[in-house]
Amino acid sequence: QKEVEQNSGPLSVPEGAIASLNCTYSDRGSQSFFWYRQYSGKSPELIMSIYSNGDKEDGRFTAQLNKASQYVSLLIRDSQPSDSATYLCAVIPGGTSYGKLTFGQGTILTVHP
Amino acid sequence: NAGVMQNPRHLVRRRGQEARLRCSPMKGHSHVYWYRQLPEEGLKFMVYLQKENIIDESGMPKERFSAEFPKEGPSILRIQQVVRGDSAAYFCASTGEGSAKNIQYFGAGTRLSVL
Repeated sequence: QKEVEQNSGPLSVPEGAIASLNCTYSDRGSQSFFWYRQYSGKSPELIMSIYSNGDKEDGRFTAQLNKASQYVSLLIRDSQPSDSATYLCAVIPGGTSYGKLTFGQGTILTVHP
Repeated sequence: NAGVMQNPRHLVRRRGQEARLRCSPMKGHSHVYWYRQLPEEGLKFMVYLQKENIIDESGMPKERFSAEFPKEGPSILRIQQVVRGDSAAYFCASTGEGSAKNIQYFGAGTRLSVL
């Protein structure tokens, strides 16, 4: 079992729709979770961090965390073509006091006009 | 993120040569992480350094790879006797202290091509 799993996609949504990206992780002790966006040929860019169960909203983005189910998701409302990118879920393993990130393979999102 | 500077952006080496990748962290940051992204693969942790100290190198290949973060100057990832399988994008990230210590900002990366 991979430590961090994401559906590789591609996920295709129409402009204006809600895009839902999912991630599961295997280390029950993990406490810190991140979503990064990576455009083709570019570096990862932090979108959201979440540490507590529940929802965290920032503009059009909402991160959701359920530690009991070992599940974290990212919702993008009012999707725009500029949101087309690979979305990376990242987790800091349990018992790690520094930011050693374990990444999923990424989900490719395409928003079509 | 514009604050973390990596150079060169592109590096071409022939098999057997050495590659040196440099990373200057964001101003005020003293923690540096290196990650590697192989073609069609995800980002993998390589090493975590603080000034003059290697804290965690569990992701580094046992041979040919080394990293340093001297008291003065950038962090260096060094790959000796490169092979084609080393061709990848190498990213550096830096963090600050306290509550921001786990928020990593990535540099633009160095794309290494081994001929």
